[in-house]
Amino acid sequence: QKEVEQDPGPLSVPEGAIVSLNCTYSNSAFQYFMWYRQYSRKGPELLMYTYSSGNKEDGRFTAQVDKSSKYISLFIRDSQPSDSATYLCAMRKETNAGKSTFGDGTTLTVKP
Amino acid sequence: ETGVTQSPTHLIKTRGQQVTLRCSSQSGHNTVSWYQQALGQGPQFIFQYYREEENGRGNFPPRFSGLQFPNYSSELNVNALELDDSALYLCASSRNDRGQSPLHFGNGTRLTVT
Repeated sequence: QKEVEQDPGPLSVPEGAIVSLNCTYSNSAFQYFMWYRQYSRKGPELLMYTYSSGNKEDGRFTAQVDKSSKYISLFIRDSQPSDSATYLCAMRKETNAGKSTFGDGTTLTVKP
Repeated sequence: ETGVTQSPTHLIKTRGQQVTLRCSSQSGHNTVSWYQQALGQGPQFIFQYYREEENGRGNFPPRFSGLQFPNYSSELNVNALELDDSALYLCASSRNDRGQSPLHFGNGTRLTVT
């Protein structure tokens, strides 16, 4: 069993919809939680970065972390066709900046 | 601020050959990590370098090796290439501030082994 499990999708929504992306994890030592967006033929681009439990909002994006349930979510409001990409969740322990554990990604398509 | 740059963008090698991939870190970052991303999967941690020394390694065999230079640029070397080594290789940099800063990725090198 993988340490990080991500809903595989693919996910297709109409423009303007609210999108919910989710990951679960098994290692309670994870303290930092990230969401990356990856366009085709590109590297992952950092969207959200949170520490421990709670919510964080940045424009149309909201990240939620529930450490008691080992569950993280990314919400996208007013989704746009330009949001069409693969979304990767990632997490790591307290120290060691380099080693993050990733989910396998959810591919999202936002249709005009 | 210059981001993470990687070269080459694409590479085709034959099984058994050796390959070197290169990375320039984002300015101000002193830690570099390498990841392997197979098609349809998330990135897998290969190793991390800080102060020119490896200080963390994932589940990859010794034929995967690396270097970090004084200017924080880095190389990934893979010997005795296997077909399963075909993947996108990603370099990421960060500040070594007790894990508080996230990874910033380059666009990767697409390696195909035939």
